[in-house]
Amino acid sequence: RKEVEQDPGPFNVPEGATVAFNCTYSNSASQSFFWYRQDCRKEPKLLMSVYSSGNEDGRFTAQLNRASQYISLLIRDSKLSDSATYLCVVNMGGGSQGNLIFGKGTKLSVKP
Amino acid sequence: DTAVSQTPKYLVTQMGNDKSIKCEQNLGHDTMYWYKQDSKKFLKIMFSYNNKELIINETVPNRFSPKSPDKAHLNLHINSLELGDSAVYFCASSQVAGGGQPQHFGDGTRLSIL
Repeated sequence: RKEVEQDPGPFNVPEGATVAFNCTYSNSASQSFFWYRQDCRKEPKLLMSVYSSGNEDGRFTAQLNRASQYISLLIRDSKLSDSATYLCVVNMGGGSQGNLIFGKGTKLSVKP
Repeated sequence: DTAVSQTPKYLVTQMGNDKSIKCEQNLGHDTMYWYKQDSKKFLKIMFSYNNKELIINETVPNRFSPKSPDKAHLNLHINSLELGDSAVYFCASSQVAGGGQPQHFGDGTRLSIL
């Protein structure tokens, strides 16, 4: 299994749609999980951390499933401005140690 | 105020040349990083420094030499540039070392080798 694996997409959805991305990771000892967003020709920016109990930030909900070693990101009521590549990020050491490993990203395109 | 700033933003140069990219962060973070993002958009860590000390050095050719004069600066010098070095190089910082903290990125240096 690759260290961090994501469906590359692209996901093409209409405005207002709900879209979900999944990500799997290989190291069962990983403790830190994030979703980043990267716009075309821009730097990655932190979207949200992912907590064990799941967490929500406005239209964005992140979930963690440790047993299956996957993370999800749900975007509700998608906007044109949500169009970007979403990067799943996991630390590869035990606890909070080790490098952050970035997935290759899932591209989202929201159409009017 | 830009939190993590890199210069130059664009760098076009010929094979065989030596070039440097500079990075500065004003967040008061202890740890800084260099990443490479290739044409396939895969973002991979190259180096990490914690308070001026090298803590991560991934499998990177020794033509790449990072230098950290203080914890707010991490520069990257590249000798004998090759075609395969063409990529976007991102500097980042985090409050402390380790993967438990999110990282803040500079806006990248687009390096093109002719």
